[in-house]
Amino acid sequence: KQEVTQIPAALSVPEGENLVLNCSFTDSAIYNLQWFRQDPGKGLTSLLLIQSSQREQTSGRLNASLDKSSGRSTLYIAASQPGDSATYLCAVRNRDDKIIFGKGTRLHILP
Amino acid sequence: DAGVTQSPTHLIKTRGQQVTLRCSPKSGHDTVSWYQQALGQGPQFIFQYYEEEERQRGNFPDRFSGHQFPNYSSELNVNALLLGDSALYLCASSGYNQPQHFGDGTRLSIL
Repeated sequence: KQEVTQIPAALSVPEGENLVLNCSFTDSAIYNLQWFRQDPGKGLTSLLLIQSSQREQTSGRLNASLDKSSGRSTLYIAASQPGDSATYLCAVRNRDDKIIFGKGTRLHILP
Repeated sequence: DAGVTQSPTHLIKTRGQQVTLRCSPKSGHDTVSWYQQALGQGPQFIFQYYEEEERQRGNFPDRFSGHQFPNYSSELNVNALLLGDSALYLCASSGYNQPQHFGDGTRLSIL
């Protein structure tokens, strides 16, 4: 049974710092992995999608990596800004097409 | 181009009642998935609809049922509501080999 874990559960960093969010999964037979952002009371916004054959994806200040063999993904945020404050969710899509989410990391960027 | 739209945005029901939530997918998407997100948790997969049929189902009781219409829109029905059904219900749509796009959800409160 696939399990997705995100560490840390919460993180506070000063504005301008670079930071890394972690995601681990127990079954490496995945189709893809996706990082989402969720603002309070809102739906999910897709940030980056990494196919199982890829190692990383970049979008602006965001870079996501995938190491399928070790069951790990990281989301790197460069030069953090207060507007980056949100909950970040990692989700894996299994080969049976089910999508399993982690519980998320609540990020707070201190002005 | 409208994204995924969900209605209503908020809903208050009492125990034992029944509820219907609605979702219109993003234009060009033919697959709709439903998720339940309890406070402080990641979304939990309920089921997925494609070509008007339930294609995948998560670990939810039969009280949770759904439907997909020929225009790809979808409904989530929950019977015999329990206090534990209070959550944010998210709808996501996707096309073949495309990332999921989420709506802003319906906040369901059970009194």
